[in-house]
Amino acid sequence: DTAVSQTPKYLVTQMGNDKSIKCEQNLGHDTMYWYKQDSKKFLKIMFSYNNKELIINETVPNRFSPKSPDKAHLNLHINSLELGDSAVYFCASSRLAGGSYEQYFGPGTRLTVT
Amino acid sequence: AQSVTQLGSHVSVSEGALVLLRCNYSSSVPPYLFWYVQYPNQGLQLLLKYTSAATLVKGINGFEAEFKKSETSFHLTKPSAHMSDAAEYFCAVSENSWGKFQFGAGTQVVVTP
Repeated sequence: DTAVSQTPKYLVTQMGNDKSIKCEQNLGHDTMYWYKQDSKKFLKIMFSYNNKELIINETVPNRFSPKSPDKAHLNLHINSLELGDSAVYFCASSRLAGGSYEQYFGPGTRLTVT
Repeated sequence: AQSVTQLGSHVSVSEGALVLLRCNYSSSVPPYLFWYVQYPNQGLQLLLKYTSAATLVKGINGFEAEFKKSETSFHLTKPSAHMSDAAEYFCAVSENSWGKFQFGAGTQVVVTP
């Protein structure tokens, strides 16, 4: 029943490792997003895919690579993790074709790099 | 370019008192405006949205917001605070059809008995 789900919810790893976060939405939306929320709760968009096509690509280190295998899934792969990557990562989705624009968020993945 | 300013990073209100959270935006085109709430260790939940229809927008949990173009504001209010309103509140603006949101820095609301 969960509209936007993310796995894992918590991720603890060491510097230099590679990790992935997965996101799935069952709302039938055409657009998905990745956001980073830092320790001060500031939210910054990272990427967005519309119908599997990258439409927003903010200034993010190229160690971060999104992949959208289909409209319902958007994964985030992070190479060579650094201490500064520690944050909460949120996935969101919306229906841009319908013109409603509101985004629905997942529960977040708290990444801790040690 | 779009931007959002939330005045006050921390607001304390008494239970039953008015909640007023301020949001001012900057946009080169008529914007879409949103308020979200984030409870501890959870994702963001949409409270309400303005998309160029009525300027007074009603949302969930008794919240409402008024779009004032002349003041470039979209302040959020609730007549009577409840303990369950304690959370972080975010204002967001989007000025294009790609869904690129700019979030404000957030306002933490504390409700005291």
